[in-house]
Amino acid sequence: EVQLLESGGGLVQPGGSLRLSCAASGFTFSSYDMIWIRQAPGKGLQWVSIISGSGGISYYADSVNGRFTISRDNSKNTLYLQMSSLRAEDTAVYYCAKRRGYNYGAFEYWGQGTLVSVSS
Amino acid sequence: EFVLTQSPGTLSLSPGERATLSCRVSPSVSSSHLAWYQQKPGQAPRLLIYEASSRATGIPDRFSGSGSGTDFTLTISSLEPEDFAVYYCQQHFNTPYTFGQGTKLEIK
Repeated sequence: EVQLLESGGGLVQPGGSLRLSCAASGFTFSSYDMIWIRQAPGKGLQWVSIISGSGGISYYADSVNGRFTISRDNSKNTLYLQMSSLRAEDTAVYYCAKRRGYNYGAFEYWGQGTLVSVSS
Repeated sequence: EFVLTQSPGTLSLSPGERATLSCRVSPSVSSSHLAWYQQKPGQAPRLLIYEASSRATGIPDRFSGSGSGTDFTLTISSLEPEDFAVYYCQQHFNTPYTFGQGTKLEIK
């Protein structure tokens, strides 16, 4: 059974940093692209970032490019999102997700999410 | 960047009725790269339909997807109480992987 479990969310001041983790199990983690998606309170879904199975390729939404860094540790089956220079508009529930195919397809499995609140 | 526009914003129907949700994509996208998700309050989204018309694992056959190019549709043939939720379409052809703004399906 595929399981994704996010952690690391919390309250942080504007300009601060936070690192989110997503522990994966139930599939060959290193074979799959992994994704971060976020949802601001009461709003829709926004794709944040994606990383290839090897970790060698990553892409970001314009709104986080240069401030967020996606990474993975395939030996620990864990995905990360390092967030810095946080802004109020980064406040959201952050979900990690796994694609249907190794490097293609819809977002088949989602974690339960972790809430990041950016406020002074 | 692909823009996905869902309509209506809110759909009020009764259990047993048929629901038709629309997703317009600009520019056009291959049906291979169009998905639908369901999200209930306090829960993570759940994949319903992939490749525009294929049901994900465990999804009841009252859910169906159709369409191509710029116009896609999610149909729920006969609404069950548990189907009242927010539905999102998404393209996953190119980054940024964009979502529609969502259609809220509420009980009339």
